Amino acid sequence: EAEVAQSPRYKITEKSQAVAFWCDPISGHATLYWYRQILGQGPELLVQFQDESVVDDSQLPKDRFSAERLKGVDSTLKIQPAELGDSAMYLCASSTRTGTHTDTQYFGPGTRLTVL
Amino acid sequence: AQKITQTQPGMFVQEKEAVTLDCTYDTSDQSYGLFWYKQPSSGEMIFLIYQGSYDEQNATEGRYSLNFQKARKSANLVISASQLGDSAMYFCAMSRPNTGNQFYFGTGTSLTVIP
Repeated sequence: EAEVAQSPRYKITEKSQAVAFWCDPISGHATLYWYRQILGQGPELLVQFQDESVVDDSQLPKDRFSAERLKGVDSTLKIQPAELGDSAMYLCASSTRTGTHTDTQYFGPGTRLTVL
Repeated sequence: AQKITQTQPGMFVQEKEAVTLDCTYDTSDQSYGLFWYKQPSSGEMIFLIYQGSYDEQNATEGRYSLNFQKARKSANLVISASQLGDSAMYFCAMSRPNTGNQFYFGTGTSLTVIP
């Protein structure tokens, strides 16, 4: 069964350090999403890609966060420098191209980030 | 403005019993989708069931069914014959048309199945 892959599963870092997360969506899925989930809350969208293009990054704190999907397949989310408030679960999801309300988003296992 | 409301922070159910998790939503769109996800303590979000706004019949997937009441803007998840493995967080989500299918998520309900 096709799955969304993410690595690492866990990351502990000190504040002011740089961290990077990787996501490989389900093969053929053109749309890729990065979410941040703070403990006790639902996921919140950080950035959305359609192929290699950014569709929406309005909620991405651009002073410290960056995201890329250079070849329209896998994607990297980077934080530099990390702050204590960045401690959260970072989830990647993908869906098919149609972009209609019927598309299901499939999630990866997530990366749990702890900033000390 | 909050689009998805899950009013039950925590629920308990006896093993083999049925349980209903509540979800209400707010939208002025005619076309939208409603989704339920399960999130175990390990963290991954597992897709359970989908209901389209134009679907006249309630969706079902195995032990999961969605009680869709469009006029009330509610999309409650019903889990029948609860199992210990059903203990997890459950999130309701709504897709936003014309945004490339972005989702609004609720705050979740923690379900504990008691043996």
